[in-house]
Amino acid sequence: DQQVKQNSPSLSVQEGRISILNCDYTNSMFDYFLWYKKYPAEGPTFLISISSIKDKNEDGRFTVFLNKSAKHLSLHIVPSQPGDSAVYFCAGTTGANSKLTFGKGITLSVRP
Amino acid sequence: GAGVSQSPRYKVAKRGQDVALRCDPISGHVSLFWYQQALGQGPEFLTYFQNEAQLDKSGLPSDRFFAERPEGSVSTLKIQRTQQEDSAVYLCASRFRTTGELFFGEGSRLTVL
Repeated sequence: DQQVKQNSPSLSVQEGRISILNCDYTNSMFDYFLWYKKYPAEGPTFLISISSIKDKNEDGRFTVFLNKSAKHLSLHIVPSQPGDSAVYFCAGTTGANSKLTFGKGITLSVRP
Repeated sequence: GAGVSQSPRYKVAKRGQDVALRCDPISGHVSLFWYQQALGQGPEFLTYFQNEAQLDKSGLPSDRFFAERPEGSVSTLKIQRTQQEDSAVYLCASRFRTTGELFFGEGSRLTVL
């Protein structure tokens, strides 16, 4: 049972445009969500997070939106840059002392 | 150290061999996690330590997998009698407290022939 789903395996956008990466979850106990970015041969690095009590969190070019009723979150990158090309993982957690549950990831390619 | 350090970065084992993968978390980090990432998949949870206590090992796929963190810092993931399906990248992650973001190492890529 996949608790975190990233149904689109890849996304390609033009430099300067918006990238929208989607994520759905089934576990209603998740109360905190994170996005990680991964380059080849490197470990995932933390990008941005959101608590379930919020519907939006913004950090520079990155904004995460959470729709609890739809069990859906999305990561917006504006403007997209070639250096953003990587695999992006969405993850959920049920709070303290808890593991992160990851989706399969989305490969983003930003074309110059 | 500055980040989570894992060794070896690459390991090739013959089927049936035992392997040991080491993780050096960020100094002072209480929580330590092991994840397994198969090709084209997201990281899958294996086990979790808080200091030296192994609080959750529900993700270990079989009794061939064993993890320890005897002094609450360095951790070792041991896989006995390796099988081809064990081929994956094994990621270690740590965090300062019991909540918040995880800091990942670069992973140990295990290939079982």
